[in-house]
Amino acid sequence: AQSVTQPDIHITVSEGASLELRCNYSYGATPYLFWYVQSPGQGLQLLLKYFSGDTLVQGIKGFEAEFKRSQSSFNLRKPSVHWSDAAEYFCAVGTNSGNTPLVFGKGTRLSVIA
Amino acid sequence: EAGVTQSPTHLIKTRGQQATLRCSPISGHTSVYWYQQALGLGLQFLLWYDEGEERNRGNFPPRFSGRQFPNYSSELNVNALELEDSALYLCASSPGISGREFHEQYFGPGTRLTVT
Repeated sequence: AQSVTQPDIHITVSEGASLELRCNYSYGATPYLFWYVQSPGQGLQLLLKYFSGDTLVQGIKGFEAEFKRSQSSFNLRKPSVHWSDAAEYFCAVGTNSGNTPLVFGKGTRLSVIA
Repeated sequence: EAGVTQSPTHLIKTRGQQATLRCSPISGHTSVYWYQQALGLGLQFLLWYDEGEERNRGNFPPRFSGRQFPNYSSELNVNALELEDSALYLCASSPGISGREFHEQYFGPGTRLTVT
């Protein structure tokens, strides 16, 4: 079975600074990878996804993520953080097995300071 | 295009009662997923329905049950409520169970269940 680890529970960055949120997965084959964002009291919004091909994936709101098979990672990046990016971010992994649901990491809470 | 909708937004119940939560998927989506998000525990997979059938179930007791209707909307029922059932319950939908699209889950805003 697949698993996901988000090593950072909470990260604080200054507005305008760059951001990298870490995600490590465990799965024997090529996984399907996702990043979601959750604002307080809200549902999750899909930021970006990786299925195959180009390992650098562009998403919404200026986010990107890079799939690194050798490191089993799918880190989320943004060059310049805005105060509105403060939220909880979840990494998720899926497989090409039709009956296996997505597995989510425990999330990283992002705080943005002035 | 309307997104996933859930009702009610908030639900307050007493221990031992039953709760019913509802979800309407995005038009054209046949799969519906239910998650529990309790404080500090992340998203815990509860149930997955597709074409009216239960496809998979997470590690939850049988008092968590649900169903999917012919119009693909879904209901989650929680019987004999316990205090630890207090959580945000999220519903998601996806286009189906085959192919990559199966994994693209779109979430509703959730139902906040409080058990007192």
